[in-house]
Amino acid sequence: GQQLNQSPQSMFIQEGEDVSMNCTSSSIFNTWLWYKQDPGEGPVLLIALYKAGELTSNGRLTAQFGITRKDSFLNISASIPSDVGIYFCAGQEGGSNYKLTFGKGTLLTVNP
Amino acid sequence: GAGVSQSPRYKVTKRGQDVALRCDPISGHVSLYWYRQALGQGPEFLTYFNYEAQQDKSGLPNDRFSAERPEGSISTLTIQRTEQRDSAMYRCASSVREESTEAFFGQGTRLTVV
Repeated sequence: GQQLNQSPQSMFIQEGEDVSMNCTSSSIFNTWLWYKQDPGEGPVLLIALYKAGELTSNGRLTAQFGITRKDSFLNISASIPSDVGIYFCAGQEGGSNYKLTFGKGTLLTVNP
Repeated sequence: GAGVSQSPRYKVTKRGQDVALRCDPISGHVSLYWYRQALGQGPEFLTYFNYEAQQDKSGLPNDRFSAERPEGSISTLTIQRTEQRDSAMYRCASSVREESTEAFFGQGTRLTVV
């Protein structure tokens, strides 16, 4: 099936630093989403992107839907300890308005 | 309820046994999804319901896996004759609209087959 390449696999940063992660796919996606998963919890939707080139912010988070429709990135500015968790990108291909393909996740650790 | 509720949270079963995993979606949500998440991986799509109708079961790995949502609310994912490779976190999600990508996930059921 469709594969999403998410990088980096893990990041260890100092509190206050900015962080960036990205996702690429081998085919075109109609929707890109970014989720955060805390230990013992299910993924929680952070940002949804619906149009190529779209740049959307949610507080300190900013995500963009790549112009080629095959990639997306997520930036977190001024990281804080509660940003710790696993961040997943997910995409939805044409022909399906519900089925999501997830990346393998980026494990973010923030050192206070 | 306030969120998607799944039970049990943890299930350990012997190989060859059948298991039933339950999902109680957010009240009023018409769409329900089952995903499976292996350790170190993202969730993988299993099946999708719109009300009580199973619209897509293309992600179910084989015929030992089945799911139902008879009254358009609670759903059960059943795995027959479990195998060790079935061990994973099984996640349910629901959305208020049909075919919405903005789904809310439950805490999952951690299945371990020994």
